[in-house]
Amino acid sequence: AQKVTQAQTEISVVEKEDVTLDCVYETRDTTYYLFWYKQPPSGELVFLIRRNSFDEQNEISGRYSWNFQKSTSSFNFTITASQVVDSAVYFCALGRMDSSYKLIFGSGTRLLVRP
Amino acid sequence: DTEVTQTPKHLVMGMTNKKSLKCEQHMGHRAMYWYKQKAKKPPELMFVYSYEKLSINESVPSRFSPECPNSSLLNLHLHALQPEDSALYLCASSPTGTASYEQYFGPGTRLTVT
Repeated sequence: AQKVTQAQTEISVVEKEDVTLDCVYETRDTTYYLFWYKQPPSGELVFLIRRNSFDEQNEISGRYSWNFQKSTSSFNFTITASQVVDSAVYFCALGRMDSSYKLIFGSGTRLLVRP
Repeated sequence: DTEVTQTPKHLVMGMTNKKSLKCEQHMGHRAMYWYKQKAKKPPELMFVYSYEKLSINESVPSRFSPECPNSSLLNLHLHALQPEDSALYLCASSPTGTASYEQYFGPGTRLTVT
């Protein structure tokens, strides 16, 4: 079964705090892709990162960093020094490397960054 | 340019109306998608077009009818909708139609059925 779990429904932090969004996935595939998307109040899903199952290197992009751990089936997302503009719903998603088109989305984590 | 555009942004329609949602991308992507998103839920895949052919229909009711006139355009024709069809409808595209590529989403059409 393919499944993505984002256990944190909602997180509230004060600006400049660091925050980590958890993502745990289940798959029987040995090769797969993982994604993070941001959905601000405007509604558009914004692509943040794609990671394939063979690449367990952590990635940093500005204030964003991602920790992929295959051993625990987790792909966590950390925002350093959060800003009000980071307030959004964040979705983690799983994609298969076959001809399947479907992304398996987690339920999303709503992040509120207060000034 | 990683932009997917959608029109209209908002749509209110009665249950007997016929309307269409439009989506356009100029990234040369060969796969395009329609998603439906209810409040506080993740997007749900409705249809996938790959190389202008319908590849996936996720058991969507026939009152939703997709159309892909060319590789850049995707339409969703709506007819005899129900109030429960009110949602945000998102269009997306990707280079090819496998889930190994990231999808780029448009801003969505917020549909209200009265």
